[in-house]
Amino acid sequence: GAVVSQHPSRVICKSGTSVKIECRSLDFQATTMFWYRQFPKKSLMLMATSNEGSKATYEQGVEKDKFLINHASLTLSTLTVTSAHPEDSSFYICSGASGSKYEQYFGPGTRLTVT
Amino acid sequence: GENVEQHPSTLSVQEGDSAVIKCTYSDSASNYFPWYKQELGKRPQLIIDIRSNVGEKKDQRIAVTLNKTAKHFSLHITETQPEDSAVYFCAASRTGANNLFFGTGTRLTVIP
Repeated sequence: GAVVSQHPSRVICKSGTSVKIECRSLDFQATTMFWYRQFPKKSLMLMATSNEGSKATYEQGVEKDKFLINHASLTLSTLTVTSAHPEDSSFYICSGASGSKYEQYFGPGTRLTVT
Repeated sequence: GENVEQHPSTLSVQEGDSAVIKCTYSDSASNYFPWYKQELGKRPQLIIDIRSNVGEKKDQRIAVTLNKTAKHFSLHITETQPEDSAVYFCAASRTGANNLFFGTGTRLTVIP
């Protein structure tokens, strides 16, 4: 099946610094990639949707200047959390979808801790 | 936008019994309904999905039913096993959008 990787799996950073998370589709071309945020014991909340070569579409309440998304190729999307604060600590999960197919394939997630 | 509600939030069953999780959605244009299983700290794994052109789909011990009129769909797990213990999420999306709107999750515990 389709495989999506994420890097890093865990990251700890200091408040005020920026962190980049990479999401890669390993065996398919992800024309669309999605970024989710998941708090402990909570559901996945869609943050933004990005199509390769286009600007990301952010969900209401998600600051686009704080969560920078780049989808430069059909196999790579990055999420940069800028000027991170402790409240940004969360589990970030990406997913990829190919063309008009419904299915999304999820990455293993990145646990971000901001101290 | 779409609003997906999921019940119950927690469910405990004895091994071998059946488990049923129910979801409702608000957008009548939604036509794709996947179910995901997520173990602690792991990625969501697609276990079954259904499109709006069918009312029921089954895969071994797992089945999903869809009632478009009432805008609800359910996951049925029969002969539950301890390894079925996880958090299950329903979701909904519609053609052309790809965006998945997730339910709040159900923590299933299968007691040996």
